[in-house]
Amino acid sequence: ETGVTQTPRHLVMGMTNKKSLKCEQHLGHNAMYWYKQSAKKPLELMFVYSLEERVENNSVPSRFSPECPNSSHLFLHLHTLQPEDSALYLCASSQDRGDQPQHFGDGTRLSIL
Amino acid sequence: QKEVEQDPGPLSVPEGAIVSLNCTYSNSAFQYFMWYRQYSRKGPELLMYTYSSGNKEDGRFTAQVDKSSKYISLFIRDSQPSDSATYLCAMSLAYSGAGSYQLTFGKGTKLSVIP
Repeated sequence: ETGVTQTPRHLVMGMTNKKSLKCEQHLGHNAMYWYKQSAKKPLELMFVYSLEERVENNSVPSRFSPECPNSSHLFLHLHTLQPEDSALYLCASSQDRGDQPQHFGDGTRLSIL
Repeated sequence: QKEVEQDPGPLSVPEGAIVSLNCTYSNSAFQYFMWYRQYSRKGPELLMYTYSSGNKEDGRFTAQVDKSSKYISLFIRDSQPSDSATYLCAMSLAYSGAGSYQLTFGKGTKLSVIP
């Protein structure tokens, strides 16, 4: 496989469930990102990992918990989500330098019942 | 004032037309400028990537950056139905250490090219 792969592609969960989103990159990058994409809003950066260390947490509620076990894998653990958390969650990766662009996966479409 | 302004459209043009997509921004410190294309049910795909001011051409696509006006543009020549997608502009500050390479996005412009 090449590029950035996200699983599952679709997820429906209740507000009391616990689930995890998975991202894997095959590009040899050393930085990974989680974004939230909602209708009629710009992409919102949630978390940044560089060399497996979390560098940025943009005031994301604690019901979202990221994990980066190595430079190729990134997880987003979800628990007790709210209906307003329904969105497309995108993973991206890049070389952690200013002159290298970010490459995105196709996202997980999350629906909270 | 939002950091990056982008007209969401929708924009509808006939096949073969020249398309102009634009973003304005407020932070003069932005150094890197990108355009992404996002098809329905897919993630954003990098189209163009430029550093500082100037033009960059790639096939039917031309990206322009005017830092003095805080304005970036993407032109699509000879537009095709396959160009129908949402186009996102993005920009970032100069790199300043681990994890500092973060993108600020516009809302995206939805483009339809009619055969």
